[in-house]
Amino acid sequence: AQTVTQSQPEMSVQEAETVTLSCTYDTSESDYYLFWYKQPPSRQMILVIRQEAYKQQNATENRFSVNFQKAAKSFSLKISDSQLGDAAMYFCAYRRGGAQKLVFGQGTRLTINP
Amino acid sequence: EAGVAQSPRYKIIEKRQSVAFWCNPISGHATLYWYQQILGQGPKLLIQFQNNGVVDDSQLPKDRFSAERLKGVDSTLKIQPAKLEDSAVYLCASTPQLGYTFGSGTRLTVV
Repeated sequence: AQTVTQSQPEMSVQEAETVTLSCTYDTSESDYYLFWYKQPPSRQMILVIRQEAYKQQNATENRFSVNFQKAAKSFSLKISDSQLGDAAMYFCAYRRGGAQKLVFGQGTRLTINP
Repeated sequence: EAGVAQSPRYKIIEKRQSVAFWCNPISGHATLYWYQQILGQGPKLLIQFQNNGVVDDSQLPKDRFSAERLKGVDSTLKIQPAKLEDSAVYLCASTPQLGYTFGSGTRLTVV
């Protein structure tokens, strides 16, 4: 069974600084997708960024970028120029190719200090 | 585009009572999911529907949980009887293919 592990229950960063959230996963599949979701207090899961396993290039969305290390099964999220609105729970998630179920990690609570 | 609608937003019940949650996915999204998110954990899939058929319910506690998706549109998730450990947020999501859209969830507290 696929598993996703986030080893940092909480992280904090000063506003405008850069922070990196860690995620590792375990799978024997070669076709899969990885995601980072943001969950604010409103509880709605918001997609931050997506990475296809077959792509070597790391995904980037504005201030958000990933470091995808396929051999190490590592998928970290870097947030640059942190803003107060970035404060939330962040979840790393895995989806096997051909399936649609998401497998989530335990989450990291990110606090932004003004 | 309207989002995924869920109701109620909050529910408090006593153990052994029954409760039902409702989800209306985005129009045209064939696949609908119910996830359970216990406080401090990531969401865990309970059941996946493709149109009105069940694709995956392997993690659904079938002795107390049931779900249906009539006419392949909206869906209800029921718990009967509820236990203390059912306290959680119940998230509904829908997708046409790769992109998920989540609702805001129902927070259930069982006392």
